[in-house]
Amino acid sequence: GQQVMQIPQYQHVQEGEDFTTYCNSSTTLSNIQWYKQRPGGHPVFLIQLVKSGEVKKQKRLTFQFGEAKKNSSLHITATQTTDVGTYFCAGANAGGTSYGKLTFGQGTILTVHP
Amino acid sequence: DAGVTQSPTHLIKTRGQHVTLRCSPISGHKSVSWYQQVLGQGPQFIFQYYEKEERGRGNFPDRFSARQFPNYSSELNVNALLLGDSALYLCASSLANTGFLWEQYFGPGTRLTVT
Repeated sequence: GQQVMQIPQYQHVQEGEDFTTYCNSSTTLSNIQWYKQRPGGHPVFLIQLVKSGEVKKQKRLTFQFGEAKKNSSLHITATQTTDVGTYFCAGANAGGTSYGKLTFGQGTILTVHP
Repeated sequence: DAGVTQSPTHLIKTRGQHVTLRCSPISGHKSVSWYQQVLGQGPQFIFQYYEKEERGRGNFPDRFSARQFPNYSSELNVNALLLGDSALYLCASSLANTGFLWEQYFGPGTRLTVT
């Protein structure tokens, strides 16, 4: 079945440093979504990427979707303590029998030291 | 506007028992999905329902079942509970059914502990 791998598992940064998490799928995706989950909270939708090679920005966050639609990345510039949490990518299968199914990566836990 | 609501918040059950978890989607959302999140892992897809019909199923045993009601609320049922069923159960609602352009809004989850 479809697998979505995410690296690194943990990332510790000093406030002001940049942060990047990478997501790789074993199959071609129709779209990919990114979520943030604060400690003790639930996943909150950040963004969705649909097109091959797509790049989207939200303030200090930059999201990319690979040309082959099998990988994605999230980059945070100049991290702040409010960025703390676990970042998940979630891929939707390109057709097949996985209609309605999102496959989540295992997440990257980001800690930011002030 | 109210977000996705789930009940109960926490639940403790014994092995072999049955549990029912409930979810109310955001008003206007017709699709509800259920996920299981074990500590330290990403959510795992269990079911998706749209207009009361099952539209997707993950790799979970038949002990897991769900349904959606005419008001689009949903129930997740788990029979013959095992210790490994201990997890955070998340419900997510979304607006669209067709295609893949659906962002999901998650509820706060139900923390199930099986002893």
